[in-house]
Amino acid sequence: NAGVTQTPKFQVLKTGQSMTLQCAQDMNHEYMSWYRQDPGMGLRLIHYSVGAGITDQGEVPNGYNVSRSTTEDFPLRLLSAAPSQTSVYFCASRRFRENTEAFFGQGTRLTVV
Amino acid sequence: AQSVSQHNHHVILSEAASLELGCNYSYGGTVNLFWYVQYPGQHLQLLLKYFSGDPLVKGIKGFEAEFIKSKFSFNLRKPSVQWSDTAEYFCAVNAGGNKLVFGAGTILRVKS
Repeated sequence: NAGVTQTPKFQVLKTGQSMTLQCAQDMNHEYMSWYRQDPGMGLRLIHYSVGAGITDQGEVPNGYNVSRSTTEDFPLRLLSAAPSQTSVYFCASRRFRENTEAFFGQGTRLTVV
Repeated sequence: AQSVSQHNHHVILSEAASLELGCNYSYGGTVNLFWYVQYPGQHLQLLLKYFSGDPLVKGIKGFEAEFIKSKFSFNLRKPSVQWSDTAEYFCAVNAGGNKLVFGAGTILRVKS
């Protein structure tokens, strides 16, 4: 099993550009989520999904879109990148039931200039 | 809203010193509790978890944590740290709704 795979690992964008961060998991987990990690702020939830076709906003959703067309994939889209979106992004997945742990991808370090 | 507080943002210890990292959460119901570790340049890995039962849980690499319900705390401990424990440690709480809420993290530096 590959677990949770994120691509790319690094990305530099210019302000106003758009891009999609990819996330795929092969554990048949129903629940997937995106976090951003900023120094001194821990991980903050951007969007999450409890299954294919179902998404919802987390703590910091502005400027990001998601979709969940399959159980395996949960891409995160930045429609018009801003310097405030410079961060490290982590995708996570888990079984959608109590008493389960989340598994994290390797992260994407995004810089917006 | 649920929140998680980690008391120290930076901790510096010498090798063989004992470690205790504080974590408090705000939620009155049933919780699942986690400690994750992030080594430099790597992703988050699970150190240990508490779902129910014995409030003293043991994790990997000699770490343990104690759940004290009356204090809403889940402190992480290790009797003797090693240089390889240098990392950032995150406490996280799942208090229903399947949302995992993280603390701000504690950066641990162990001097050899």
